[in-house]
Amino acid sequence: QVHLVQSGAELRKPGSSVKVSCKASGDSLRSYAISWLRQAPGEGPEWMGRIIPVIEVEKYAQKFQGRLTLTADKSTGTVFMELKNLTSEDTATYYCAGFGSSFFDSWGQGSLVIVPS
Amino acid sequence: DIQMTQSPSSLSASIGDRVTLTCRASQSIGKFLNWYQQKPGKAPNLLVYAASRLQNGVPSRFSGSGSGTDFALTISSLQPEDFATYYCQQNSDDAGPTFGGGTRVEVK
Repeated sequence: QVHLVQSGAELRKPGSSVKVSCKASGDSLRSYAISWLRQAPGEGPEWMGRIIPVIEVEKYAQKFQGRLTLTADKSTGTVFMELKNLTSEDTATYYCAGFGSSFFDSWGQGSLVIVPS
Repeated sequence: DIQMTQSPSSLSASIGDRVTLTCRASQSIGKFLNWYQQKPGKAPNLLVYAASRLQNGVPSRFSGSGSGTDFALTISSLQPEDFATYYCQQNSDDAGPTFGGGTRVEVK
């Protein structure tokens, strides 16, 4: 498992972008894929994409292609999620999560992003 | 994408009750099914992976079963700390993992 700490809440205007960070403890990123998920109030989590920091390979859910960018800073063990062209439907809590063999076994504390309509 | 459907969406139960939550996949996913517990304001917490394997540290009153399209999570004797929302998640689809809509377990 890896310990993940995310950046704080964000308030953004429609049409703008948001960038959320997720810092992993120690050198745990060497063996992990980090996924980003979001959860709107009252709904289940929604997978957005993942990055394997050690080889800088990303995969995005089709829904977010072209609007989502995942990056990693290996020197600090931090991964970033940037979502562009925000609308009110992007209001949610955003999580980073470590992906073990085939499951999410470590989660950040969540970052609330609010986009007023 | 593979759709995951959980039922019921909510249930009321008492301490000590045996509770079974179900999850159905829109197509066969083998045993690529995980269960999570989520409490208000917290991230989901892995309970069961590969349909029936208990994550380290999870009490033995939790158990998972099923394969293919139909799965279940059973709590053999409900405890106060078990009142929460439970989600199933598949990891069989190359398009990416998907979650069910959740089952909220409430106090009767």
